[in-house]
Amino acid sequence: EAQVTQNPRYLITVTGKKLTVTCSQNMNHEYMSWYRQDPGLGLRQIYYSMNVEVTDKGDVPEGYKVSRKEKRNFPLILESPSPNQTSLYFCASSLYSTYEQYFGPGTRLTVT
Amino acid sequence: KQEVTQIPAALSVPEGENLVLNCSFTDSAIYNLQWFRQDPGKGLTSLLLIQSSQREQTSGRLNASLDKSSGRSTLYIAASQPGDSATYLCAVPNSGGYQKVTFGIGTKLQVIP
Repeated sequence: EAQVTQNPRYLITVTGKKLTVTCSQNMNHEYMSWYRQDPGLGLRQIYYSMNVEVTDKGDVPEGYKVSRKEKRNFPLILESPSPNQTSLYFCASSLYSTYEQYFGPGTRLTVT
Repeated sequence: KQEVTQIPAALSVPEGENLVLNCSFTDSAIYNLQWFRQDPGKGLTSLLLIQSSQREQTSGRLNASLDKSSGRSTLYIAASQPGDSATYLCAVPNSGGYQKVTFGIGTKLQVIP
């Protein structure tokens, strides 16, 4: 089944404790992206990747890191999480940037 | 910078009614526009992708139209059902590379049985 998977689905952590949210797709897509969704602000793009080893900032990259060492994986790293990073995070992929995007189920992160 | 607006923010209709959701964008140099559905606490499901060269795209009871020159897209839902209750979002890749994507905040639809 073609899908985008994210892990974990739910995470509660404390300020400053490094964490990684994994994202994997099995559709051989070139383009992958991370978004956060907050009430009243909608979905905002954090980082995107056009291909392996090619990543760039979206609209809200501060406090986040990404890497794309393999085509199928695009982990999101929070080196020192803060409470303002409490949010619902989505990973998405598409064949190319202008093609239909497929979303993962989301990761609900709470930073206390 | 591309800005995407969706009006209304919320909509409540009786079952069976036809309805229109609106999406407007400020930069008309878009490559395509995608409509999504999001159920509470869930991810986004792609509904329709309409290319900039198209004026309409249909899937079942859904019809999306695109007017680039006026910066508008509409999603028409025919014969609404309670199962259509969800938040509907539109998204456009930004001009100047199309790598970045801007989403509207969405329209929350409730279809009352």
